Amino acid sequence: AQKVTQAQTEISVVEKEDVTLDCVYETRDTTYYLFWYKQPPSGELVFLIRRNSFDEQNEISGRYSWNFQKSTSSFNFTITASQVVDSAVYFCALSEADNAGKSTFGDGTTLTVKP
Amino acid sequence: DAGVTQSPTHLIKTRGQQVTLRCSPKSGHDTVSWYQQALGQGPQFIFQYYEEEERQRGNFPDRFSGHQFPNYSSELNVNALLLGDSALYLCASSPTLAGGETQYFGPGTRLLVL
Repeated sequence: AQKVTQAQTEISVVEKEDVTLDCVYETRDTTYYLFWYKQPPSGELVFLIRRNSFDEQNEISGRYSWNFQKSTSSFNFTITASQVVDSAVYFCALSEADNAGKSTFGDGTTLTVKP
Repeated sequence: DAGVTQSPTHLIKTRGQQVTLRCSPKSGHDTVSWYQQALGQGPQFIFQYYEEEERQRGNFPDRFSGHQFPNYSSELNVNALLLGDSALYLCASSPTLAGGETQYFGPGTRLLVL
């Protein structure tokens, strides 16, 4: 069975602070995929990144970076120099190769960035 | 290039009624999945459609059913509505059935059951 845990329910920071959102996953598959999505108040899930289990390279995209560590089953997301527009709910999700198209989501972390 | 669209945006029903939600996938996508997102929780997988057939199903009762049309659009039907069915229903599409494909989500339909 697959499981995703986002232990941080809510995080509040002041603008320009760095913030890291934690994601821990469980899976028995050796081939799997990890995702991060952003959900603003409008409700639509916005895709941020996809990572497969064979690629442990960290990725940076502008102010966003992701740290994938198979040894600890973690896929953490860092926002550098946070901005008010980063305020949203962020979800980590897992998809196993043997369960094509079925993603298991964590319960999300609500990030509030105050000016 | 239109993204995933869903209709209606909001819906209010009473217990015992039936509801149909609609989804049009992103252009070029042939696989559609449906998720239920209760307040304060992550999306829960309901089922997935590909080539007009249900391919995978999550832990949802038979009251939840669906359909996919030849143009890849999809419907989610819920019968005998319960108060607990109140949620945001999200449709997601992907370009293939292959595992690990990125799913692109629509804006959702907010269903309130009174």
